[in-house]
Amino acid sequence: DSGVTQTPKHLITATGQRVTLRCSPRSGDLSVYWYQQSLDQGLQFLIQYYNGEERAKGNILERFSAQQFPDLHSELNLSSLELGDSALYFCASSVGGGMNTEAFFGQGTRLTVV
Amino acid sequence: GESVGLHLPTLSVQEGDNSIINCAYSNSASDYFIWYKQESGKGPQFIIDIRSNMDKRQGQRVTVLLNKTVKHLSLQIAATQPGDSAVYFCAENREGYGQNFVFGPGTRLSVLP
Repeated sequence: DSGVTQTPKHLITATGQRVTLRCSPRSGDLSVYWYQQSLDQGLQFLIQYYNGEERAKGNILERFSAQQFPDLHSELNLSSLELGDSALYFCASSVGGGMNTEAFFGQGTRLTVV
Repeated sequence: GESVGLHLPTLSVQEGDNSIINCAYSNSASDYFIWYKQESGKGPQFIIDIRSNMDKRQGQRVTVLLNKTVKHLSLQIAATQPGDSAVYFCAENREGYGQNFVFGPGTRLSVLP
């Protein structure tokens, strides 16, 4: 167990809908990261927050947004969902925010858009 | 590229043999690299990292080799065990980009009894 908790584990929703994925980082970790893992695109970095502030942005669509709250948990909001958004969404956390700080991954949320 | 899908390149090795997993990275400016292991139903797990000022780094039963000339990384696992069965990803990054890693497509390692 990495100490990173993601809910829900599975989510099935229809196209056009909006969902929120939640992540609780390891105790003491200030950075949270979101990744998308799909069959055709592989594992892709979406966005990073450090102590409530956006730190780095990757291949995150405009329909997607995230935030990190004062208690350091994070939410990833996915809207106007399309079939192609079906994927595993991982959250990771680390103490620091630099590139060589080890990130610990949660078990992921499997999103299925039908 | 594919990740944990059905069509990943697969490496099958006998238990006890050494495994070598290869990765070609894309950006010659990348200066930091990580190998991750992803078991079925789990998130990626850090195995070992290496900076671009090194050619080789060793961990417990694992060694990473970096060849910057041809932009190639390899992960060597000594005395492969059944618990090593997983998908292995390389990831590259460069200073100033936080955790904005670019991941390779992955290789599935299957350990045969």
